[in-house]
Amino acid sequence: AAGVIQSPRHLIKEKRETATLKCYPIPRHDTVYWYQQGPGQDPQFLISFYEKMQSDKGSIPDRFSAQQFSDYHSELNMSSLELGDSALYFCASSLGSGGQPQHFGDGTRLSIL
Amino acid sequence: RKEVEQDPGPFNVPEGATVAFNCTYSNSASQSFFWYRQDCRKEPKLLMSVYSSGNEDGRFTAQLNRASQYISLLIRDSKLSDSATYLCVVPSSNTGKLIFGQGTTLQVKP
Repeated sequence: AAGVIQSPRHLIKEKRETATLKCYPIPRHDTVYWYQQGPGQDPQFLISFYEKMQSDKGSIPDRFSAQQFSDYHSELNMSSLELGDSALYFCASSLGSGGQPQHFGDGTRLSIL
Repeated sequence: RKEVEQDPGPFNVPEGATVAFNCTYSNSASQSFFWYRQDCRKEPKLLMSVYSSGNEDGRFTAQLNRASQYISLLIRDSKLSDSATYLCVVPSSNTGKLIFGQGTTLQVKP
């Protein structure tokens, strides 16, 4: 079965650069969530979209923005990157936003030099 | 106090052992609960969903106690391949964002 696809798998950037992470949800899933997981930490919710509208916002810095497009894929845009942004970024998708199980992509490992 | 709390372990058990993990949550309005498994540097994978009193899937049993706001995961006949971090997860009742416990690390030894 098709899973959540994230790209790129690995990304190396320098401080103050920008990065764009992409997420393609499972077909027919209408809700996308973004999570950040630092070393030794549990995943922290960043932002979510339901039917192309932002549905919730967590601990996402103002330097980050995201959107969900008409084909339901989502992009997380990160600017003025800082060393502390180094983490695993996961995208998850679900059918509906009412507490359904979420299925995660393989993640993007972002390293800031 | 964290919204979802777990004993981080690690739990070191021999193959074939039975091991149980506990989790407590603070939002009494929560309706669904999940156990995810995460291997090192990999994505969380859904292990079990719990909507009523419990759920069973092969060697894995999850139980829910709403009065005590407590969820458990029981693994019977542990395998080496069960070694991983087990995340207790509670979705927000409004938007479904997942709230994770800190995870419990299991190491199964031969």
